[in-house]
Amino acid sequence: EAQVTQNPRYLITVTGKKLTVTCSQNMNHEYMSWYRQDPGLGLRQIYYSMNVEVTDKGDVPEGYKVSRKEKRNFPLILESPSPNQTSLYFCASSLTGFYGYTFGSGTRLTVV
Amino acid sequence: GDSVTQMEGPVTLSEEAFLTINCTYTATGYPSLFWYVQYPGEGLQLLLKATKADDKGSNKGFEATYRKETTSFHLEKGSVQVSDSAVYFCALSNTGNQFYFGTGTSLTVIP
Repeated sequence: EAQVTQNPRYLITVTGKKLTVTCSQNMNHEYMSWYRQDPGLGLRQIYYSMNVEVTDKGDVPEGYKVSRKEKRNFPLILESPSPNQTSLYFCASSLTGFYGYTFGSGTRLTVV
Repeated sequence: GDSVTQMEGPVTLSEEAFLTINCTYTATGYPSLFWYVQYPGEGLQLLLKATKADDKGSNKGFEATYRKETTSFHLEKGSVQVSDSAVYFCALSNTGNQFYFGTGTSLTVIP
């Protein structure tokens, strides 16, 4: 089944403790992206990648890192999480972007 | 910068009612426009899209027409069902990798 898989689905962590949210797609898509969803703000793009080793900042990249060492994986790294990064995170992938993105099921992160 | 403005929700309709969710955009160039739907507890799913002016995207009874003169991409459905209850997001992209989403409109359809 074609899908984008994120892990974990739920995560509660403490301020400052490094964490990684994994994202993997099995559709051989070039484009991948991370978003955060917050009430009243919709989805905001954190980082995107157009291919292996090619990444760029979205609208809200502060406090996040990404890497794209393989086409299928696009992990999101929070080096020192803070409470304002409590949010619902989505990974998405697409063949070209203009075809539309396939989204993962989301990761609900709480930083206390 | 590029942006999308959606009508505020929540919207509550009776089954078989007509649905319109307004979406207007601000963008340089000629963006592609999208509607995504999010069911409870799930990620977003592409509902329909349009890539140039006057294009009409359609899927599952939903339609939206790309109106460049009014910079709009309103979502419509002639007869909603309970199963259409979800949050709907309008989005645009000029590049295929940078996307701008609206804040979402929650729709509840009651029997």
